[in-house]
Amino acid sequence: DGGITQSPKYLFRKEGQNVTLSCEQNLNHDAMYWYRQDPGQGLRLIYYSQIVNDFQKGDIAEGYSVSREKKESFPLTVTSAQKNPTAFYLCASTPQRVGKNIQYFGAGTRLSVL
Amino acid sequence: KNEVEQSPQNLTAQEGEFITINCSYSVGISALHWLQQHPGGGIVSLFMLSSGKKKHGRLIATINIQEKHSSLHITASHPRDSAVYICRGGADGLTFGKGTHLIIQP
Repeated sequence: DGGITQSPKYLFRKEGQNVTLSCEQNLNHDAMYWYRQDPGQGLRLIYYSQIVNDFQKGDIAEGYSVSREKKESFPLTVTSAQKNPTAFYLCASTPQRVGKNIQYFGAGTRLSVL
Repeated sequence: KNEVEQSPQNLTAQEGEFITINCSYSVGISALHWLQQHPGGGIVSLFMLSSGKKKHGRLIATINIQEKHSSLHITASHPRDSAVYICRGGADGLTFGKGTHLIIQP
């Protein structure tokens, strides 16, 4: 079955630690996105990538980094510079650049700070 | 300022009631999307609208381009409709409303 797989489902970060969230898709989509969701807030865009080896900052990129070495994979690293990382992280993809395109979402990763 | 505003933020209703959730946007869009987020966090797309009205089962979505407003209606609501409903729009198509948390009580 085609879809987007995020792992792990739950992740705990210690003070000063970098952690990486995985996002893999087998939909052959060009564009992939990372969002952060906090209680009472809408999804906020962290980074997006429209093509392999290229990515753009979203509204809240500070403290995060990404890579897009393969079309299927778009991992997100939450660095120690992100002082408030506790949130629900969602990965999404679209066949091409979003606009009219429907986004397909993974099941999410819930990150907490120990 | 968020370009996409939803109302109400929270809505509790009894089973069988007709539900309306509203979404207003401030900039022109090519399409507006309605999404449903389940209690576990997963998000599915319900509708993509450029004009007029779309219907899928008990769900109906309408959009008025001139007024920059869209509504999502649920007829004969059921407890399984309890979820967060989110609209997406914006000039770049990447702006989300804060969501409407809907609870349908039996």
